Amino acid sequence: EVQLVESGGGLVQPGRSLRLSCAASGFTFDDYAMHWVRQAPGKGLEWVSGISWNSGSIGYADSVKGRFTISRDNAKNSLYLQMNSLRAEDTALYYCAKDLRYCGGDCYSLSDAFDIWGQGTMVTVSS
Amino acid sequence: EIVLTQSPATLSLSPGERATLSCGASQSVSSSYLAWYQQKPGLAPRLLIYDASSRATGIPDRFSGSGSGTDFTLTISRLEPEDFAVYYCQQYGSSPSFGQGTKVEIK
Repeated sequence: EVQLVESGGGLVQPGRSLRLSCAASGFTFDDYAMHWVRQAPGKGLEWVSGISWNSGSIGYADSVKGRFTISRDNAKNSLYLQMNSLRAEDTALYYCAKDLRYCGGDCYSLSDAFDIWGQGTMVTVSS
Repeated sequence: EIVLTQSPATLSLSPGERATLSCGASQSVSSSYLAWYQQKPGLAPRLLIYDASSRATGIPDRFSGSGSGTDFTLTISRLEPEDFAVYYCQQYGSSPSFGQGTKVEIK
């Protein structure tokens, strides 16, 4: 079964850091770009960051650029999001998501729909 | 950044009726890289349509997508009880972005 399981969320004070993880199973992890998408309570979806199969292409939303860092470890089938200088407006459910189509080898695109999503991990930034 | 605007915000319909959801882009979406997702309360989004008009695996044929450039549409031909949910459009031609969502509720 294709599965993504996020972890690492919790309650954190403004200005502090948190690292999210996403464990992938059931597919060849290093054949696909991966992404983080967040959803504030009662709000819509916001793309946060994406990373190509070999980390050669990385993108961030303007709202997190310079504060968040995406990374992956293909040997461990894992995706990460290091979140620094957290703000109240970063409070959200954070999902990891997989690109729909294979993009390995010479492909570095982050342009695809997301066909598999995890269940999300909640991050609350509050004093 | 491409801004997506969905309309209407809420659609009140009865089971069996046809639903038409719109998604407008602030600039042309390259290669029709436009997707539609369904989200039910407490669950992750589910991919319905990609590349503007291709149905994802396992999606019933009552769901269809159309459009190009800056105007896209998701149509549900006959609403089933399980179709009442929130629907989001997403463009992935440039840095990905989502619309604000359309809630399809039971009338």
